[in-house]
Amino acid sequence: DIQMTQSPSSLSASLGGKVTITCKASQDINKYIAWYQHKPGKGPRLLIHYTSTLQPGIPSRFSGSGSGRDYSFSISNLEPEDIATYYCLQYDNLLTFGSGTKLEIK
Amino acid sequence: EVQLQQSGAELVKPGASVKLSCTASGFNIKDTYMHWVKQRPEQGLEWIGRIDPANGNTKYDPKFQGKATITADTSSNTAYLQLSSLTSEDTAVYYCARGTYFDVWGAGTTVTVSS
Repeated sequence: DIQMTQSPSSLSASLGGKVTITCKASQDINKYIAWYQHKPGKGPRLLIHYTSTLQPGIPSRFSGSGSGRDYSFSISNLEPEDIATYYCLQYDNLLTFGSGTKLEIK
Repeated sequence: EVQLQQSGAELVKPGASVKLSCTASGFNIKDTYMHWVKQRPEQGLEWIGRIDPANGNTKYDPKFQGKATITADTSSNTAYLQLSSLTSEDTAVYYCARGTYFDVWGAGTTVTVSS
């Protein structure tokens, strides 16, 4: 089974700032990683798939990059509505979520 | 509009089984995979398994083998998740989601296991 190590588990940043979350896979996942935003009481929302492909309607201040085992996800120009928990998901071999990152705004 | 409508909250007794539904609108489930995901209180997301409704083939995370059974009814465009021998560890929100990388999600069904 592929393990996904996501960090940090939580972070706090200022409005207008930038944050970066990383996910490290236990083996090469061939860029098959997606990123989700999850707010309480709702289903998660797909932001990015295949490492860096933005879903339609998702602002360009969300971005992803990486290859092999190492991947990152960034949000720039932080807005109040970005408060949420963010997850990575590898879908190269079955599916495995990262443990999540809770984002708070200072 | 593409959406997934999940069944209502369930309160079930330990040892019982429960069957959750996820009805699709705006697309045909035969054209995609349908998945189920678990989120325990204050915990992260766990992939349970998926079904290919076109042929009924299923795959599960090994952790859920024997606990979860995923089925689909293409005539009603609905996927199902049955959970058996319920314990407190099964108290969670269960989500259905579509496709290879979950581009559409349901709002979740809360299952509470309590006597």
